[in-house]
Amino acid sequence: DGGITQSPKYLFRKEGQNVTLSCEQNLNHDAMYWYRQDPGQGLRLIYYSQIVNDFQKGDIAEGYSVSREKKESFPLTVTSAQKNPTAFYLCASSADRGTGSGNTIYFGEGSWLTVV
Amino acid sequence: AQSVAQPEDQVNVAEGNPLTVKCTYSVSGNPYLFWYVQYPNRGLQFLLKYITGDNLVKGSYGFEAEFNKSQTSFHLKKPSALVSDSALYFCAVRDRGDRDDKIIFGKGTRLHILP
Repeated sequence: DGGITQSPKYLFRKEGQNVTLSCEQNLNHDAMYWYRQDPGQGLRLIYYSQIVNDFQKGDIAEGYSVSREKKESFPLTVTSAQKNPTAFYLCASSADRGTGSGNTIYFGEGSWLTVV
Repeated sequence: AQSVAQPEDQVNVAEGNPLTVKCTYSVSGNPYLFWYVQYPNRGLQFLLKYITGDNLVKGSYGFEAEFNKSQTSFHLKKPSALVSDSALYFCAVRDRGDRDDKIIFGKGTRLHILP
């Protein structure tokens, strides 16, 4: 089945650790996104990529890093510099190349990250 | 800059009654508008979108939404609510003229359908 796969579903991070969340899509989409969801705050954009080997910071990029070496993969690293990383993380993708299109953004099932 | 507002944090509706979840938006140009639904511990699922054409858009699970340009609104509606419709609903907007082509989400409205 076509879709977006995020792993792991649950991840625990110790203080000072870097952790990486995986996101893979087999929809042949050009654009991929990472969002953070906190209760009552909706979704906030962390990073997005419109093409392989290129990505842009979103609204809350500090303490996070990404790579886009393959079209189908867009992993997110939560670094030790992110002081409050406990949240639900959502990966998404869409077909467009960022030209103001109306293409739908599709989401993965999300990953919970908790600091212990 | 574009923005989207969902003025109600929570909406309660009796099963079988019609439901409305409100959304208003602000963009400098013409909008693309979207509705998503999120069940607990899950990702967002796409319900419907307005691109152009007919102002009444029909989507999944019997939902529909009406684009009203003069009121800058895109309210989500369903004629008869089901208990299974209870979830968190997000409205989103994309500005056609935005070079960054970002999609902006509202904060969400929690819909409770009472049996």
